[in-house]
Amino acid sequence: EIVLTQSPGTLSLSPGERATLSCRASQSVSNSYLAWYQQKPGQAPRLLIYGASSRATGIPDRFSGSGSGTDFTLTITRLDPEDFAVYYCQQYGSSPKWTFGQGTKVEIK
Amino acid sequence: EVQLLESGGGLVQPGGSLRLSCAASGFTFSRYAMSWVRQAPGKGLEWVASTGTIGGTTFYADSVKGLFSISRDNSKNTLYLQMNSLRAEDAAVYYCAKMGGPLGVPDTRYFDSWGQGTLVTVSS
Repeated sequence: EIVLTQSPGTLSLSPGERATLSCRASQSVSNSYLAWYQQKPGQAPRLLIYGASSRATGIPDRFSGSGSGTDFTLTITRLDPEDFAVYYCQQYGSSPKWTFGQGTKVEIK
Repeated sequence: EVQLLESGGGLVQPGGSLRLSCAASGFTFSRYAMSWVRQAPGKGLEWVASTGTIGGTTFYADSVKGLFSISRDNSKNTLYLQMNSLRAEDAAVYYCAKMGGPLGVPDTRYFDSWGQGTLVTVSS
């Protein structure tokens, strides 16, 4: 089973700042089958990025994903107040064992 | 617009059973693999089970294998999760999730739409 480790656990930033979130896999994620989700309190997760770098429908271009192999990054270029949330990475390269990272909380500084 | 509406959650005693349902609309249900993902209170996301487009192929997390059963009725556009022998550690919000395509297309095995979830509480 591929274990995903996200860092940092919490990121304290101000609106307008750049956020860089990391997701490291315990082994290579085949074909960069990695997704990112955003979850706000009391809401369901929302798909942001799939295939490591493809934005899902309706996702603003301030969200971007990069990486391959074992190291992946989600970047939010300019934090909007609505972007403060928890972010999860998830691999589907070794499905049928889908796994999620433990999450990174982006909070207002 | 894709809509997924879960139901069937509630309070159940340890060792009891519960059947969750997920009513889907806004897309051609029979063309997409579907999954259940859960989230214990204050915790992260955990994949539970997935099923292919016609329900013949199913996959389970080790934590629920032999206890839970995923199924679907394409004539009713509904996904199910039968949960037996429930334990305290099964308490969570259970989300129904649509996948990006059929299971046979590996690069679509992400979860592109989610329901609002249904809460399962296991307690005596």
